Amino acid sequence: DTGVSQDPRHKITKRGQNVTFRCDPISEHNRLYWYRQTLGQGPEFLTYFQNEAQLEKSRLLSDRFSAERPKGSFSTLEIQRTEQGDSAMYLCASSPRGQTLGETQYFGPGTRLLVL
Amino acid sequence: SQKIEQNSEALNIQEGKTATLTCNYTNYSPAYLQWYRQDPGRGPVFLLLIRENEKEKRKERLKVTFDTTLKQSLFHITASQPADSATYLCALLYNAGNMLTFGGGTRLMVKP
Repeated sequence: DTGVSQDPRHKITKRGQNVTFRCDPISEHNRLYWYRQTLGQGPEFLTYFQNEAQLEKSRLLSDRFSAERPKGSFSTLEIQRTEQGDSAMYLCASSPRGQTLGETQYFGPGTRLLVL
Repeated sequence: SQKIEQNSEALNIQEGKTATLTCNYTNYSPAYLQWYRQDPGRGPVFLLLIRENEKEKRKERLKVTFDTTLKQSLFHITASQPADSATYLCALLYNAGNMLTFGGGTRLMVKP
């Protein structure tokens, strides 16, 4: 399977704990995006990388959230001191080189986080 | 800020009929308007993209229209099948950035 993969698929944690999610984009895709989706809503943009550079961050990305893409391949999203309001599906997407705006984004299956 | 409205109520139709879903937005028009399909517990899957200078785009049983005057896109599925049952998301992409701005989605239920 050469699609976007995410790990873990599900995570249950207690409030106050730190969690880290991983995203492996489609090989050769230089753009990588993180979105968050709550039940009944559409995905909301969190942050975007072009290669290893984090080029854009949403105001939704509080200082408890940090994302990295150290070698321009896989990315990690860490949430520190989790809160119940962080419970959501965290989606990763990637898009290939050559697109002006990254207009075709390929999504992974998501990581569902539940904070108790 | 940009607001995208999709009918939050589920659309129930009979197999074989045409499903029509609506996406309305406020403020300025995007460079691209996209439609995605999302099944429960899965990530969105890209279906169609239409540019601001295009009126209509087709792909097999799917058709998308884009009216920048009305600030509206319509998404049609002809000869609908139960397998088309899913949530359909409208997403806008602007020249100023690379992020997609999504609507809340409309759930489609096709009954056999």
